[in-house]
Amino acid sequence: GEDVEQSLFLSVREGDSSVINCTYTDSSSTYLYWYKQEPGAGLQLLTYIFSNMDMKQDQRLTVLLNKKDKHLSLRIADTQTGDSAIYFCAEKPGNAGNMLTFGGGTRLMVKP
Amino acid sequence: EAGVAQSPRYKIIEKRQSVAFWCNPISGHATLYWYQQILGQGPKLLIQFQNNGVVDDSQLPKDRFSAERLKGVDSTLKIQPAKLEDSAVYLCASESGGSYEQYFGPGTRLTVT
Repeated sequence: GEDVEQSLFLSVREGDSSVINCTYTDSSSTYLYWYKQEPGAGLQLLTYIFSNMDMKQDQRLTVLLNKKDKHLSLRIADTQTGDSAIYFCAEKPGNAGNMLTFGGGTRLMVKP
Repeated sequence: EAGVAQSPRYKIIEKRQSVAFWCNPISGHATLYWYQQILGQGPKLLIQFQNNGVVDDSQLPKDRFSAERLKGVDSTLKIQPAKLEDSAVYLCASESGGSYEQYFGPGTRLTVT
């Protein structure tokens, strides 16, 4: 079956780097995603990585994928107070359909 | 480019009442999804449409939930009758053909009392 797990909470100081981790179980996943959700808002697509890649960088965001261990991480450099939100990891399975399976979300708190 | 639109943003109803949510996807996006997000959890897929056809509704509680996308653009999700455990945010997302990016609307927060 499909299962995506994340730690519940992360607290960092402004200016530090944040690393949010995610593990998944479906080895046939084709794409893995990171979404950001601010209070009362929908999900904002931050970045995604194809399963044949092991790293993707986009400005302050770096995604690392360890396919062997089914581990995905999101690193936010120079974390700002505006980065405080819930971050969701999601996988797109390799079987039929394009549905996403989400983790439970990691709440990132950035202290000034 | 306008994003995914949803209405209403908030709805409070009593149990056993009915409710409907509306979604207008990004123009040209053939695929539309409805997700349910219970407080403190990640979104879970309810139904996926490709144009006006259903691709996956295996997680939709069909005894009380229904959804349609008659003209392949807007979609409506209905709950009848509502239960307390239906309290959640209902998110609509859309995706264009050949893309790997799902874009979400702001959601409708449903409270069932």
